[in-house]
Parts: sequence; C-alpha cells; structure tokens
Amino acid sequence: DAKTTQPTSMDCAEGRAANLPCNHSTISGNEYVYWYRQIHSQGPQYIIHGLKNNETNEMASLIITEDRKSSTLILPHATLRDTAVYYCIVRAENTGTASKLTFGTGTRLQVTL
Amino acid sequence: DTEVTQTPKHLVMGMTNKKSLKCEQHMGHRAMYWYKQKAKKPPELMFVYSYEKLSINESVPSRFSPECPNSSLLNLHLHALQPEDSALYLCASSPETGLIWYEQYFGPGTRLTVT
Repeated sequence: DAKTTQPTSMDCAEGRAANLPCNHSTISGNEYVYWYRQIHSQGPQYIIHGLKNNETNEMASLIITEDRKSSTLILPHATLRDTAVYYCIVRAENTGTASKLTFGTGTRLQVTL
Repeated sequence: DTEVTQTPKHLVMGMTNKKSLKCEQHMGHRAMYWYKQKAKKPPELMFVYSYEKLSINESVPSRFSPECPNSSLLNLHLHALQPEDSALYLCASSPETGLIWYEQYFGPGTRLTVT
C-alpha cells in the first residue's frame, strides 16, 4: 500500500471549514484513499473514502486531485467535537487478502472557539 | 446495532498474570481485528481473523494469543506480559470477504497497564 504524508497538526476555528491535506504521490491506479479519525480515548471512526472522483457524505467531503497524488478532507463547519487525529490511508480495494489498515501518523486537528 | 464492545475498559496486570481481553460484535461481520496503540502513536495491526480463522499475524510475540470462538466474539489472551506491552488494545470488525475491503468498525479499546 502507498505511503501517505500529513501535517502533524492543524487548528481551525469553530464554524469554519477544516481542510486537511494528504499527500500520496506513490498511489497506484487501484488504490483508494480512506479517511478515519480518532477522538481522544475512543477507537478510530471511518469518515469517507474515494478512488478518483470527489465524494461527499454527511460527515465530510473528499477532494482528490486529478493526478491522484494528493487529497483533501473537508469538514465544512467544524465543531469542537471534530477535535481529533485524522488519518489518511491508501489501500487497494481488491487484494484477495483480509483487509489490513496501515495507519500513518495522522493530523491532530484542534477546533477552537 | 453498529457497535463493537470491548471488556474490560481498563486492566492492570502483573507480569506473571494471565488475563483475557474480550471483543464482541453483532453486526454479522466475518472479519475481526486486534490493534495495539501506544500513547501518541497510530494503531498497529496485530491479528486478523476472517471467518473465524486466523489470516494475519503481524509477527506478534507468543505472549499474546488470539482466539475467535465464534463469528461474534474475539478474545486476546495475555500471559507473561512486559511493561512495554502497556497500551490501548483496539478491536475492530468488518463485513469484508477478503476480496473487497469494507470500512472497519472499532471498539473503544481496553487500556492495559502491565506492572
């Protein structure tokens, strides 16, 4: 699975959009981009995933560049409850083996008043 | 019910003790996982069970012994642990068949302290 690079930490004011970047310059054609987050003292939580088209769900939007070498997770109206570590993970969907999540170091997002 | 439950929430054990961590899900998922997470580090995969059979062991020391008695239950038996094994132990499950990757649902974890 391709390696990802994320900033160590970011701040965002409550109510503003939080834009979390992820670099995955060695991504292969069959690899998806997944985002998880981990709120303090809880287990990780799935947010969204995509292959090449932009994706949106009730939690967030995922923007993937045309060359697929980077992506941005957007939380449109961040709240204090969005304070967490956000992990960007790249993985092929059909590997023929049981799934294996390899977490990088993630971005610690601090949402402030 | 989209919940993965783990017991106990906290566990303190001595290096000579034997203890077990328990994980349960009732979502009909056929893959279950154990992860270990040290403070301020990302989770690291330990074991994967697929259809109640061990499919991945990430070279975990034998003092950690996983068990999957049925499709809803996953145990992690602990024996002769070291203080450096103190960590948050996370369980997860997913409906994946091994061919298609689905999202993983995580439990809240068991915080283990080895004294």
